[in-house]
Parts: sequence; structure tokens; C-alpha cells
Amino acid sequence: AQSVTQPDIHITVSEGASLELRCNYSYGATPYLFWYVQSPGQGLQLLLKYFSGDTLVQGIKGFEAEFKRSQSSFNLRKPSVHWSDAAEYFCADSGGSNYKLTFGKGTLLTVNP
Amino acid sequence: DAGVIQSPRHEVTEMGQEVTLRCKPISGHNSLFWYRQTMMRGLELLIYFNNNVPIDDSGMPEDRFSAKMPNASFSTLKIQPSEPRDSAVYFCASSLGGGDGELFFGEGSRLTVL
Repeated sequence: AQSVTQPDIHITVSEGASLELRCNYSYGATPYLFWYVQSPGQGLQLLLKYFSGDTLVQGIKGFEAEFKRSQSSFNLRKPSVHWSDAAEYFCADSGGSNYKLTFGKGTLLTVNP
Repeated sequence: DAGVIQSPRHEVTEMGQEVTLRCKPISGHNSLFWYRQTMMRGLELLIYFNNNVPIDDSGMPEDRFSAKMPNASFSTLKIQPSEPRDSAVYFCASSLGGGDGELFFGEGSRLTVL
């Protein structure tokens, strides 16, 4: 079965610092990849997605992600983190399915002032 | 625009009681999902409806769980009888379908079974 791995359970960064959250997928064919963000007490919100084409994808709130097939990775980046970015971030893959998302376990981001 | 609306936001009940969680998807969305989120297992898809028809219920834990979608604007997830291990946050999400992966989530229903 396909799986999505987020190696980092918890990351702490200082406000203004750059951020990279890691994600690895296992689906062998062309994956459909997503990053979602969950603020405390809220549901998940889509940040960005990759289906095909340009491997560098831009999303909302200044986030971007790069698809690297050779590394089976889809890492999320932001050049300068704001305190409001503190949340939990989930990577997901729908693989060959047209509806079924497999989520990673999430990475909790803490932002220090 | 109203998003996905779930009720109740919080539910505390005793083991053996029936629990009903409710969801109103975004108008015009034809796909509806119920997810469960726990610390141990993360986000799990319980059931997926398309055009009010259950398409995939392979994630429903056992017969104690049931879900219905009587019309395009309402769905329920029922647990009967409830057990402490059912304690979790249950999310409803809807989408336009078509496989683009953009799910719109409700704020969740936090269930505690004592």
C-alpha cells in the first residue's frame, strides 16, 4: 500500500528564518501530491498541490514545494516564517486514486519570536 | 460562503451510548468524506460518498460505525455502541470531485467516550 512519510514530528524555527518540511511518498507511478495545514482546533486547508508539469509549485501564504522524483520527495519550503505559520502540516498523496488521499502523520511547526 | 459545517463540535459521552455526528457539505460539492484523526493513527479515511452514494467504506472500523447521506446537503456518522477507543476528532470534508484532491474540511467534532 502507498504511504507518505514525514520524518520530522516537530520542528521549531525562529520567526524570519527559512523553513523546509520534508515529505517522502512511496507510490511508484506519477503521484498526485498535496500539502495541507491545520491550525489548532481547525480543519485542514490546502496549501498547494502537484499533479504534473513544473516541479516547483507555488501555494498560498508564501509556501512552495518541489517535487523530486529521484528522491521520492515533495518538500515544503518558505523563505521567511511568520508567527502565524505555527500549525501542523500534512503531506498527502492520492496516487492512482481519484479520491483517496493518504496522509502523512504530520509535522508540528513551532515558531519562536 | 459557508464552509463545511459539522456538529457537535464537542461530544462527551459514556461507553455504550449512541453518538451521531452531523455534516453539511459545501453546496454544489458532490463528494463527501468522513475522516478520523488520532495521535496514534493520524488521519484515516472512514468513508467516501459520491453523489450521495457510498463508494468506499473500507475504512469504517467495524459494524458499530455507520454513515448515511440521505441528500446532497446532509450526512451523518453514527457510532453505536460507543467505546473509549472511539475517542478522536472526526472530520467531514467535501469536494467538487474529479480527483483534484482539494478537500474542504469542517472544523471537526471532538468525541470523548468515557
